[in-house]
Amino acid sequence: AAGVIQSPRHLIKEKRETATLKCYPIPRHDTVYWYQQGPGQDPQFLISFYEKMQSDKGSIPDRFSAQQFSDYHSELNMSSLELGDSALYFCASGTGFTDTQYFGPGTRLTVL
Amino acid sequence: GENVEQHPSTLSVQEGDSAVIKCTYSDSASNYFPWYKQELGKRPQLIIDIRSNVGEKKDQRIAVTLNKTAKHFSLHITETQPEDSAVYFCAASGRRWTGNQFYFGTGTSLTVIP
Repeated sequence: AAGVIQSPRHLIKEKRETATLKCYPIPRHDTVYWYQQGPGQDPQFLISFYEKMQSDKGSIPDRFSAQQFSDYHSELNMSSLELGDSALYFCASGTGFTDTQYFGPGTRLTVL
Repeated sequence: GENVEQHPSTLSVQEGDSAVIKCTYSDSASNYFPWYKQELGKRPQLIIDIRSNVGEKKDQRIAVTLNKTAKHFSLHITETQPEDSAVYFCAASGRRWTGNQFYFGTGTSLTVIP
C-alpha cells in the first residue's frame, strides 16, 4: 500500500539559511499534519491542513510557514534557521472522516 | 489545551512477560486515543487505537483499555518479544474539527530482554 512520502530525507543547512520540506500524503487523503521531534522527545504538533485550508495550529514558529496545494501535497518552509531547529520533521496524513494519522518516514534536518 | 502524561518512561521486561504502559489525559472532550511504536530514527507506526465509545480493544498480543471516567488508558503487550523493543507513545485528540492535532505523551522506552 502507498505510504506518505517526504522529501528530502536528510537536509543539512547553515544557520540563517532557509529550507523547504515536502510531503506527499497517501492517495485520497485530504488532511496533512506536520510534527517536529527533537532527540528523545515526543512529536510536537506544528500545523495541519484540510482540503488546502489550515485547520489547526500548534507550536509553529513565526519563521516557519506551510501550505497545502491543489494536489494535496504540502510544503513546510523554514527561514532564518537556528541550531535549535535541528530535528526530525514528520508529516502525517489522514482523511476528513477519520481520526487516524499515518506518518511519513521523516526529514532529518541538521542546522550547523 | 490537552495534557497527556505517560508512565513509565522506561520499562524492561523479560521475553515472554507482559508489559503495561499507562497514560492519563486532562481534556474530557478527547475521544480518540492511538498508540504508536517508534524505533530509533524511524517513523511512529500506529499499532492500535481506541475511541471513547469503546472500553477495550484487542489485536493479537496487543490490547488497549480506556477508562473515560478516570481519564486514563493503557497499552498491554503480552508474550513480549525482542522485536517489541522500541519507544511507545500514547496520544489523545478530540474531533472538534477536522485536522485537529494529536497530543502525545512523553514516550516509554521498552526493552525486552531475551
